[in-house]
Amino acid sequence: GAVVSQHPSRVICKSGTSVKIECRSLDFQATTMFWYRQFPKKSLMLMATSNEGSKATYEQGVEKDKFLINHASLTLSTLTVTSAHPEDSSFYICSATGLAGLGEQFFGPGTRLTVL
Amino acid sequence: AQSVTQLDSHVSVSEGTPVLLRCNYSSSYSPSLFWYVQHPNKGLQLLLKYTSAATLVKGINGFEAEFKKSETSFHLTKPSAHMSDAAEYFCVVSVVSGYSTLTFGKGTMLLVSP
Repeated sequence: GAVVSQHPSRVICKSGTSVKIECRSLDFQATTMFWYRQFPKKSLMLMATSNEGSKATYEQGVEKDKFLINHASLTLSTLTVTSAHPEDSSFYICSATGLAGLGEQFFGPGTRLTVL
Repeated sequence: AQSVTQLDSHVSVSEGTPVLLRCNYSSSYSPSLFWYVQHPNKGLQLLLKYTSAATLVKGINGFEAEFKKSETSFHLTKPSAHMSDAAEYFCVVSVVSGYSTLTFGKGTMLLVSP
């Protein structure tokens, strides 16, 4: 099946720094990638949807200047958490799909972000 | 609009006994429905999916789910629990409206005791 990777799997950073998380589709072209956030013992919350080569669409309540998303190629999307604060600590999961976003979503293994 | 309700936040079973994880959905359109499993600090693994074909769907690891439109339910079952089944399970509904947007239930933690 389709494989999606994320890097890093874990990151610890100081408050005020920026952190970049990569999401890669390893064996298919991902026209659309999704970024989710999962709080402890909670469900996944969709943050944004990105299409290759265009601006991401953010869900209501998600700060686009805080969570910068770039989808520069058909196999790579990045999420940058800018000026991170402890409340940004969370588990971030990406998913990817081909077929212009209409196909099954394949999930990455997630990135655990801890902001001190 | 679409939504998913997982009726139990925790389910505890003994190894070798049946598993039932309940899920109800609401959707304005014909939905696709999924069950995902998440082990601690891991990503999501697709167990099974319903996409308007057979209403009884068989998945991996012995799990299956039945789509019941009249009851708007998509409960997940397994005849005999294994210790390795202990994990968080998410029921997910998808409606194609622009994108294939997924709406997640809040999750059910399955605990399996020896």
